[in-house]
Amino acid sequence: GAGVSQTPSNKVTEKGKYVELRCDPISGHTALYWYRQSLGQGPEFLIYFQGTGAADDSGLPNDRFFAVRPEGSVSTLKIQRTERGDSAVYLCASKPTPSATGELFFGEGSRLTVL
Amino acid sequence: KQEVTQIPAALSVPEGENLVLNCSFTDSAIYNLQWFRQDPGKGLTSLLLIQSSQREQTSGRLNASLDKSSGRSTLYIAASQPGDSATYLCAVHTGGFKTIFGAGTRLFVKA
Repeated sequence: GAGVSQTPSNKVTEKGKYVELRCDPISGHTALYWYRQSLGQGPEFLIYFQGTGAADDSGLPNDRFFAVRPEGSVSTLKIQRTERGDSAVYLCASKPTPSATGELFFGEGSRLTVL
Repeated sequence: KQEVTQIPAALSVPEGENLVLNCSFTDSAIYNLQWFRQDPGKGLTSLLLIQSSQREQTSGRLNASLDKSSGRSTLYIAASQPGDSATYLCAVHTGGFKTIFGAGTRLFVKA
């Protein structure tokens, strides 16, 4: 697609529920990133995919968070047993290659609210 | 551990004023630095990307400079307009796979 697409744009759920957030990167981009942004803060790194594999998942806060990218394109961020502290905007970004010098392109984000 | 700081946290200026936003980082071993704009409730829009070997980049009324040795970058906005009102974020790529962000500068340009 023309840009990074994220769905849903807004998700309201109850504490303890399971949530999936989807990211469709720019066509042909092999590098994909998930970030989390809390109000008034900059985005914080969660996980990075190169192709189908997670090359760095050191930013995932705990084992309730998991992400997949089975075919090297679309990625899904999965959150189990959601907690109120998980409320944030989840941003996805992609790069054409994993080159350290490449430009990052972001989606509009998925705003998660846990009641 | 790389840390990115942006000063000021918020800025209000009258329309037409030239302004400078500051970004500092603690580890000078960076590959590049990227400036983004974020409108309320929206994602990040890339403004300028400066590679570590470059000193500055320009796009329209925007000019970003990079002094890697001192760990600083500035974003200069000329002849500010109300449409420039947004949060401006800087981010550094320090190798590995992470890009580290500052908390942003919230800019308000008054008509």
